[in-house]
Amino acid sequence: DAEITQSPRHKITETGRQVTLACHQTWNHNNMFWYRQDLGHGLRLIHYSYGVQDTNKGEVSDGYSVSRSNTEDLPLTLESAASSQTSVYFCASSEMGWDEQFFGPGTRLTVL
Amino acid sequence: GESVGLHLPTLSVQEGDNSIINCAYSNSASDYFIWYKQESGKGPQFIIDIRSNMDKRQGQRVTVLLNKTVKHLSLQIAATQPGDSAVYFCAERPDYGGSQGNLIFGKGTKLSVKP
Repeated sequence: DAEITQSPRHKITETGRQVTLACHQTWNHNNMFWYRQDLGHGLRLIHYSYGVQDTNKGEVSDGYSVSRSNTEDLPLTLESAASSQTSVYFCASSEMGWDEQFFGPGTRLTVL
Repeated sequence: GESVGLHLPTLSVQEGDNSIINCAYSNSASDYFIWYKQESGKGPQFIIDIRSNMDKRQGQRVTVLLNKTVKHLSLQIAATQPGDSAVYFCAERPDYGGSQGNLIFGKGTKLSVKP
């Protein structure tokens, strides 16, 4: 069955370190998204991609970057982790634009 | 444990009863709406969607109602089961004259089903 996976599921890092969160989908979807989820907020969009070599900034993109070298993967990089980036991160993919996004299980990141 | 359910509005229902979860959306330009279910420690799971040219859409045990006049969306779950316990949130997609905006997610409602 097609699926979307994220790794690691849990990560503890220190302020200033570079961190990369992996997202892999086997749906063959062109559209992929990264969100963060925090108490008191709905899911907030970090970056998204409509296809290979395409990346776009979302609502809360500062301090994050993504790259899309193939259809299946959209890794999210925190260039220099900050305590404000402690959050649960979700990757999603969709077949058509913003419709019916399928979410991964999430990565809980703690920045000390 | 999962912290996403803390500090959210909570709806507590008895097993077997019907549940109604409400969502007020913000953008009158939104033309597409989704309901998601999120269980503790898991990613959001798509439940049902509806486009703005419809008032009602039914799925298996779930119905979504859309009232564009008052910008209100509701999710009805029939014969609620313990497995329905989760956080439910809506999402809207604005359409700016043919250019689609990002999904805007609500903060959610925690549904608790009592056996």
